[in-house]
Amino acid sequence: SQQGEEDPQALSIQEGENATMNCSYKTSINNLQWYRQNSGRGLVHLILIRSNEREKHSGRLRVTLDTSKKSSSLLITASRAADTASYFCASLQGGSEKLVFGKGTKLTVNP
Amino acid sequence: DGGITQSPKYLFRKEGQNVTLSCEQNLNHDAMYWYRQDPGQGLRLIYYSQIVNDFQKGDIAEGYSVSREKKESFPLTVTSAQKNPTAFYLCASTPGQLTYYGYTFGSGTRLTVV
Repeated sequence: SQQGEEDPQALSIQEGENATMNCSYKTSINNLQWYRQNSGRGLVHLILIRSNEREKHSGRLRVTLDTSKKSSSLLITASRAADTASYFCASLQGGSEKLVFGKGTKLTVNP
Repeated sequence: DGGITQSPKYLFRKEGQNVTLSCEQNLNHDAMYWYRQDPGQGLRLIYYSQIVNDFQKGDIAEGYSVSREKKESFPLTVTSAQKNPTAFYLCASTPGQLTYYGYTFGSGTRLTVV
């Protein structure tokens, strides 16, 4: 079953602009994770935010989590052409042993 | 360098044939997972294993089988019972509890029925 839903499904921006992707989920979670997938490749883990955290940073990435709204956002600042990829959120429900992935946001950064 | 190796990268299956996808990791991770990805879709869990000689069904296990005889290896067999096997298959691992760790993924195997 799909737990997370990303929004928008596709996003096209110019290099240097910021990109924001959102993720909503349905049930209470232990943590939420974001992954990147380049075309035809495996996924790469970007960042993990726990349910008791509200914001986390890693380089040009900023993730927020609002458990009251059951939503998370991923902000990529000063985007580059190399950021072109699909981005997935994945949530870990409390007591679960497996991540549940959304369908992803396809980001295109135009040079 | 440590990582997960999936092979082959491309695989073609004839109707009624069983095929096995390889997944090997040298990260000393305890848990391993198999996901299926269809075009424009997210990942769906097929099987997972948290310890050698033990594994559990995921959301779409029908038509698939796995084994976990060694910590490093978690092969997936796509049987003839899987009616729509054409997809991109991803193997992942994690050192322990997902509360603290994310997945490390392999580069995937693209399976096509011919």
